[in-house]
Amino acid sequence: DTGVSQDPRHKITKRGQNVTFRCDPISEHNRLYWYRQTLGQGPEFLTYFQNEAQLEKSRLLSDRFSAERPKGSFSTLEIQRTEQGDSAMYLCASSPRTSSGNTIYFGEGSWLTVV
Amino acid sequence: DAKTTQPPSMDCAEGRAANLPCNHSTISGNEYVYWYRQIHSQGPQYIIHGLKNNETNEMASLIITEDRKSSTLILPHATLRDTAVYYCIVRVVTGANNLFFGTGTRLTVIP
Repeated sequence: DTGVSQDPRHKITKRGQNVTFRCDPISEHNRLYWYRQTLGQGPEFLTYFQNEAQLEKSRLLSDRFSAERPKGSFSTLEIQRTEQGDSAMYLCASSPRTSSGNTIYFGEGSWLTVV
Repeated sequence: DAKTTQPPSMDCAEGRAANLPCNHSTISGNEYVYWYRQIHSQGPQYIIHGLKNNETNEMASLIITEDRKSSTLILPHATLRDTAVYYCIVRVVTGANNLFFGTGTRLTVIP
């Protein structure tokens, strides 16, 4: 299966610790997205990369959050000084850039629990 | 991106067709209608999308009204594995065009 891969799938951390999630997009997809989803809500957009350039960031992405995609392939999402409100599922997605459309495909998500 | 309106929940008997409606009365001419579903604790799964013509794939059919203000996702023979939250999203397919999810329709397929 060559879908979007996320790691780790589950993370439990103490408040104040830093966590990092990794996303490997579908091969040759040059667009990569991060979303966050809390219980009972739909996914919310966080940020978007085209190749290595971070082109858009949501207001949800506070200063404690940083995302990178250094070589235009995999991406990392780091959360510093985690708070209980950061507990959520973090979703990565990717899409190609074609003239006929760019359907976005999601990974299985990384669950974060801050205790 | 235009907003969509979906019923919060629906039930469907196993083996019957599930028809999930979506209103998008403010859709623009360059916005597509996308459908995703999310099975409990998994990432959203792409189902189908269309601009103005009806579309069909191995998963579902998408019927878009002529004025494009509403659409219906049809699962022809619902199974228990189709129990999920279904999201109808309209989006432009140029530029960043990320997806804005609403609360979707929770479809429960009943044995």
